[in-house]
Amino acid sequence: DAKTTQPNSMESNEEEPVHLPCNHSTISGTDYIHWYRQLPSQGPEYVIHGLTSNVNNRMASLAIAEDRKSSTLILHRATLRDAAVYYCILRPRFSGNTPLVFGKGTRLSVIA
Amino acid sequence: GAGVSQSPSNKVTEKGKDVELRCDPISGHTALYWYRQSLGQGLEFLIYFQGNSAPDKSGLPSDRFSAERTGGSVSTLTIQRTQQEDSAVYLCASSLDFSGNTEAFFGQGTRLTVV
Repeated sequence: DAKTTQPNSMESNEEEPVHLPCNHSTISGTDYIHWYRQLPSQGPEYVIHGLTSNVNNRMASLAIAEDRKSSTLILHRATLRDAAVYYCILRPRFSGNTPLVFGKGTRLSVIA
Repeated sequence: GAGVSQSPSNKVTEKGKDVELRCDPISGHTALYWYRQSLGQGLEFLIYFQGNSAPDKSGLPSDRFSAERTGGSVSTLTIQRTQQEDSAVYLCASSLDFSGNTEAFFGQGTRLTVV
């Protein structure tokens, strides 16, 4: 399975942008890049996903490197509510029943 | 339903008793996943279903754990002869299918405490 590498933790000031990196150097051409987050005492929630082009939604933006070996989740203006563990996961386009497996993620702290 | 529903939300059981945890996925979702999260730990993948079939049960921690899914909908995770180390939050998720272009939706989990 293609793996991802994320920093263990990051810190941000409230109301500033946050760039959460993810390396996936063994990504295949048909792997989607997914991001989920888990707020304290809650189940994980989907954030965003993309294949090749950058993606924007109401929660965040996903910037994908041209060679697709890395990506960055961008929170445009961090709030205290964004403090969570963020997971970067690769999902094959044609998964053949590949389960959704989470790594350790990045723990984001937001400072008021 | 509107989202993935898990019941009960909390369960306290005595060591040695059997427990059943229930997951109601989003209607029409063929993929269903079970995870366990011990206090302060990461998400441990347990088992997944495609329809009613579980192709790989190797993630289940021991033979005391079993899971089934009926009618392509509701799934139950059963833990027999519970032990204190089974105490954790058990999370269920579903997605439309296993395509990489679909997202998974999680329930709020069942917090299991074995005393």
